[in-house]
Amino acid sequence: DTGVSQDPRHKITKRGQNVTFRCDPISEHNRLYWYRQTLGQGPEFLTYFQNEAQLEKSRLLSDRFSAERPKGSFSTLEIQRTEQGDSAMYLCASSSRGTGATNEKLFFGSGTQLSVL
Amino acid sequence: DQQVKQNSPSLSVQEGRISILNCDYTNSMFDYFLWYKKYPAEGPTFLISISSIKDKNEDGRFTVFLNKSAKHLSLHIVPSQPGDSAVYFCAASYFDRGSTLGRLYFGRGTQLTVWP
Repeated sequence: DTGVSQDPRHKITKRGQNVTFRCDPISEHNRLYWYRQTLGQGPEFLTYFQNEAQLEKSRLLSDRFSAERPKGSFSTLEIQRTEQGDSAMYLCASSSRGTGATNEKLFFGSGTQLSVL
Repeated sequence: DQQVKQNSPSLSVQEGRISILNCDYTNSMFDYFLWYKKYPAEGPTFLISISSIKDKNEDGRFTVFLNKSAKHLSLHIVPSQPGDSAVYFCAASYFDRGSTLGRLYFGRGTQLTVWP
């Protein structure tokens, strides 16, 4: 278990630029999540993949955001035309909830801190 | 609208004493509750959880209590240690055919400081 890995750890960009983050989940985990955390707040759900299928998206995920998990392993989160309000910590999490389980434990990565100037 | 609330942004406790962190929720559909701990520059780390069919779950120094009628849960840490100093997040989820149990609703967190 090498944990959830996120790259880069920090990203500084100018308003209007596009940015892409990568997440490598724990290898045997089929579920992958993206969350966003702003200063003074708890993490907020953005989107969720089961294998390569994106099954749920939050209203927080505007049209400028797109997430992919092409082979059911790593995932990317792209933000187009960044705005200052996008500045936040972007967290990736994975889990392997079994069929019939009534609970789910997420393992989080260390996050990507985005600063939009 | 904040469905999970942690009304105390900070808590300071002496080493060896009990730390009690509180959490309130508004959504009666929540049936699974978790506590995560977060150190600076790291992601949240799972600490302990409780299902709504229970009112207590214990794991070593950590115990979570759930009062469904009051929509309140608390995390007790005893004895507290300096290494416990971190931000503690309360989170909740519920089963919904249109959603996933991994969709967690987090509180804003409580900064716990344990001093020697």
